[in-house]
Amino acid sequence: AQSVSQHNHHVILSEAASLELGCNYSYGGTVNLFWYVQYPGQHLQLLLKYFSGDPLVKGIKGFEAEFIKSKFSFNLRKPSVQWSDTAEYFCAVRGGTYKYIFGTGTRLKVLA
Amino acid sequence: EAGVAQSPRYKIIEKRQSVAFWCNPISGHATLYWYQQILGQGPKLLIQFQNNGVVDDSQLPKDRFSAERLKGVDSTLKIQPAKLEDSAVYLCASSLVQQDPGTEAFFGQGTRLTVV
Repeated sequence: AQSVSQHNHHVILSEAASLELGCNYSYGGTVNLFWYVQYPGQHLQLLLKYFSGDPLVKGIKGFEAEFIKSKFSFNLRKPSVQWSDTAEYFCAVRGGTYKYIFGTGTRLKVLA
Repeated sequence: EAGVAQSPRYKIIEKRQSVAFWCNPISGHATLYWYQQILGQGPKLLIQFQNNGVVDDSQLPKDRFSAERLKGVDSTLKIQPAKLEDSAVYLCASSLVQQDPGTEAFFGQGTRLTVV
C-alpha cells in the first residue's frame, strides 16, 4: 500500500533562513510526486511535481524538490524563506491506482 | 479557468442528522475525488470517480457515507447519520486525465463540517 511520511510537523523559521521539509514515501512501483501548499484560508495549491526526467524539480515561488529514488524521498527546499511562505505544506504520492495519497502535512511559520 | 466549486463552505449539524455537500469540478475534468481532512491530519481519500463511475471507494464508510456523480459532472457527498468524529473539512478535487502521469489534482475550498 502507498503511504507518505512527513517528519516535520511544525517548523518555525526566521525570514531569509533556508528551508528543507522531509518527505518519504512507500510504494514499489513508478510514482508521481507532488508538493501542495495551503495558505491560511485558501485551498490546496500545487507547488511542484515530479513524474519523470530530471530528479531536481523547480516549482513556483522559488521552491524546489529533489527526488532520490534510492531513499524513497522527495524533500522540499527553499534557500531563503519569506514571511509570505507561512502555510501548511503537504507531500503527496500518486501510484498505479491514480489516487493521491497525502502526508500529514508540515506547518511552517516564518517570523518577520 | 474557473476552479473547483464547493458548497456550502461551513455547516454545523447535530449528531445523527444528515448533511450533503456539493462539488462542481473544473470543466472537462473526468476524474473527481472527495477527501476528508481531519484537523492536524493530511487529506484522506474517501472516493474517486472516473466520469460517473466509481474507481475507488475503499475508505468510504458506506454505512453512513454515500456519493454520486450523475452525468459525470457535479457530485454530491452525503452523510447520514452524522457522528461527532465526522467533524472535518471535506475537500473535492478534480483532474483532467487520470492516466497522464503528470496530471495534477485541483482542489476546491472545502466544506468545514462541525458535528455537535
